[in-house]
Amino acid sequence: GENVEQHPSTLSVQEGDSAVIKCTYSDSASNYFPWYKQELGKGPQLIIDIRSNVGEKKDQRIAVTLNKTAKHFSLHITETQPEDSAVYFCAANTLGGGADGLTFGKGTHLIIQP
Amino acid sequence: DVKVTQSSRYLVKRTGEKVFLECVQDMDHENMFWYRQDPGLGLRLIYFSYDVKMKEKGDIPEGYSVSREKKERFSLILESASTNQTSMYLCASSLDSPGEQYFGPGTRLTVT
Repeated sequence: GENVEQHPSTLSVQEGDSAVIKCTYSDSASNYFPWYKQELGKGPQLIIDIRSNVGEKKDQRIAVTLNKTAKHFSLHITETQPEDSAVYFCAANTLGGGADGLTFGKGTHLIIQP
Repeated sequence: DVKVTQSSRYLVKRTGEKVFLECVQDMDHENMFWYRQDPGLGLRLIYFSYDVKMKEKGDIPEGYSVSREKKERFSLILESASTNQTSMYLCASSLDSPGEQYFGPGTRLTVT
């Protein structure tokens, strides 16, 4: 099955600096790579996703890059703000019979220092 | 807005009890999912369903079963709860597969 590794487990950056979180996956058949943000006491919420036919995708301060050959993808957050503090999860789809599941990384706790 | 609701935020059960966790979504989504979340382990997929009465095992199905009798409702069943099933349980739904999953707030289950 799919295996997703995520690094680092904790990331502390100064407000206004950039943050980068990296993930690798094992199954070359995976073709969908979402990133979720989880705030305390809430369920995860999708912030950006990328499909395998695209190498990069941006949405304001957030961008995701995908390298299918190397089987890794990264989340980039620029001009970080206090509200970016949360736990971030990467994931990759695992092909099923009727639908695809998601395999998640173990998460990165992002701390924005004022 | 998509809304996924879970029947309880907190639940305490005894070892050996049969436990039902209920999840309801209001957006007519075909796909529904159950995950458990443990510190340092991320989210792990237990079971998912792509249609009424259809189910598929995830990565950690042992000790669990599911039921989907209606499109909007997906139940997770612990046939005989054990202490190692103490965890946060998250339900999600999606329109597309693969596609954005919308999560509920979670049920924190403690088995004593």
